[in-house]
Amino acid sequence: DIQMTQSPSTLSASVGDRVAITCRASQTISTWLAWYQQKPGKAPNLLIYKASSLESGVTSRFSGSGSGTEFTLTISSLQPDDFATYYCQQYNSYPITFGQGTRLEIK
Amino acid sequence: EVQLVESGGGLVQPGGSLRLSCAASGLIVSSNSMSWVRQAPGKGLECVSVIYGGDATYYADSVKGRFAISRDNAKNTVWLQMNSLRAEDTAVYYCARVIVAGPLPYFDNWGQGILVTVSS
Repeated sequence: DIQMTQSPSTLSASVGDRVAITCRASQTISTWLAWYQQKPGKAPNLLIYKASSLESGVTSRFSGSGSGTEFTLTISSLQPDDFATYYCQQYNSYPITFGQGTRLEIK
Repeated sequence: EVQLVESGGGLVQPGGSLRLSCAASGLIVSSNSMSWVRQAPGKGLECVSVIYGGDATYYADSVKGRFAISRDNAKNTVWLQMNSLRAEDTAVYYCARVIVAGPLPYFDNWGQGILVTVSS
């Protein structure tokens, strides 16, 4: 199984900050990686697919990069609505696996 | 606008069965690949099952042989039959539309989720 490890587990930041969340795969997954945002009590929301492609309707403050085993989700100029938990997901090989999540909280 | 509405969850004893349903609007279930993804309380996400356009299916090892995914094209609904339920199956179950644009899928539209609790 491909293990997805996100860092940090928790990130404290302020409105207006630029933040980055890292996702590392235990094996190479090319660019077959998606990022999701989840708010408490809500379903996940797709942000990025194929490592760097922005889902339709998602603000361009979100961007993704990386390939192989290391990936980054960057949020430029944090807004109050961005404080949530973020998950990466690999879709290179079965079983489909997610990272453990990164909770982004207000400093 | 795509809407996915789950129902059928609740409290069930260990060893029991439940059938979850996912009623879709804004998309045609028979023309799409669909999935169930679960999230145990306070935990991360796990893809439980996928049904692809040609009716091929995928199951996580944790549910293989106990869960079955299917769809009813006339009702535009996806089902998840869950048998021999265990305490570790306790989770919010999400129905999600699947996009297959690579080796495997990712999930672009999600329902609101339904809670399944397995406890005596």
